[in-house]
Amino acid sequence: EPEVTQTPSHQVTQMGQEVILRCVPISNHLYFYWYRQILGQKVEFLVSFYNNEISEKSEIFDDQFSVERPDGSNFTLKIRSTKLEDSAMYFCASRSGLAGGKGDNEQFFGPGTRLTVL
Amino acid sequence: AQKVTQAQTEISVVEKEDVTLDCVYETRDTTYYLFWYKQPPSGELVFLIRRNSFDEQNEISGRYSWNFQKSTSSFNFTITASQVVDSAVYFCALTLATGNQFYFGTGTSLTVIP
Repeated sequence: EPEVTQTPSHQVTQMGQEVILRCVPISNHLYFYWYRQILGQKVEFLVSFYNNEISEKSEIFDDQFSVERPDGSNFTLKIRSTKLEDSAMYFCASRSGLAGGKGDNEQFFGPGTRLTVL
Repeated sequence: AQKVTQAQTEISVVEKEDVTLDCVYETRDTTYYLFWYKQPPSGELVFLIRRNSFDEQNEISGRYSWNFQKSTSSFNFTITASQVVDSAVYFCALTLATGNQFYFGTGTSLTVIP
């Protein structure tokens, strides 16, 4: 069964460094998302991406964050200058978006990347 | 605005007991979808169930059952005869017909004691 994959599973970085989190959504899905979960807290929406542009973003998604779909398969989240409070689990998700498709409103989540900022 | 409330922060039960996890949601949209996810200690989100707003039929899957009541805006989850492997954090989530962002509750941490 197709699944969303994310790399790396765990990333450790120094404060102020740039990190890129990578995701491979399910093939043929049209909508892509990033979510963040600070340890012990709920999963929070960061950004949604469709047709090569951001369709919606939350207050958390400030200028330090950017997303990109550099090729036909990857979807990346870049944090330009990491802060201690960026330490969290980051989940990528994708959605079919094909009208009438099975589960077209369901977002399929990847296993997450645990980011630790020291 | 959309909101999902899981009032139970932590629940502990003894193995084989039944347990119900509560979820209350808020939305003015008439078409929406509700989900439950399980998050084991390893951290991934495991999909459990999806329910749309027009389908109030309760569902049972093995030891799991879900009770959806639009009148009270609730979508509760019951585990029958709990097992140690059920220990995890459970999240309830809501998305609208547009299918864009998910709105998650704060989660309920379930501990099943052997």
